[in-house]
Amino acid sequence: DIQMTQSPSSLSASVGDRVTITCRASQGISNYLAWFQQKPGKAPKSLIYAASSLQSGVPSKFSAGGSGTDFTLTISSLQPEDFATYYCQQYNSYPLTFGGGTKVEIK
Amino acid sequence: QLQLQESGPGLVKPSETLSLTCTVSGGSIRSSGYYWDWIRQPPGKGLEWIGSMSYSGSTYYNPPLSSRVTISVDTSKSQFSLELSSVTAADTAVYYCARRESYRPTVYWGQGTLVTVSS
Repeated sequence: DIQMTQSPSSLSASVGDRVTITCRASQGISNYLAWFQQKPGKAPKSLIYAASSLQSGVPSKFSAGGSGTDFTLTISSLQPEDFATYYCQQYNSYPLTFGGGTKVEIK
Repeated sequence: QLQLQESGPGLVKPSETLSLTCTVSGGSIRSSGYYWDWIRQPPGKGLEWIGSMSYSGSTYYNPPLSSRVTISVDTSKSQFSLELSSVTAADTAVYYCARRESYRPTVYWGQGTLVTVSS
């Protein structure tokens, strides 16, 4: 199985801050990496696919990159609606696996 | 717009079988190129992929659960289902059904349904 390790597990930031979350795969997954945003009590929302492609309707303040084993998600200017938990997921091979999540909290 | 809705008991006794159904609307469950997934999330914890059924009927299960999981489809009702046998408290979670395309991650999710395993 491919293990996905996210860091940090949580972070505190202020409105307007730029934040970056990292995700590392235990083996190469090419660019088969997705990022999701989840708010309390809601289903996850897909933000990014193919490591760096924005899903339709996702604002450009979200950007992502990486290939192989190391990936990043950046939020350029945090807004109140961005405080949530973010997950990476590899879909290169079964079993599909998620990172442990990064909770972005208000400082 | 595709919509998915989970349904099933919210409380299951230990050692019994958890059964959930996902009803698909706004799109065909028979369309080629799509995978129908079950994903769960224990309270306060992260996401765990349970398994998938492809448009051709092939199934893929997460190995730790594979001996207890069955995913099936009823195309006449536009539904797919999850059965998880011999449940324990560790199976308490919000269960999501979802759809993804080949070589794409999940885009469409149900709202999720909480299943509690308790006597």
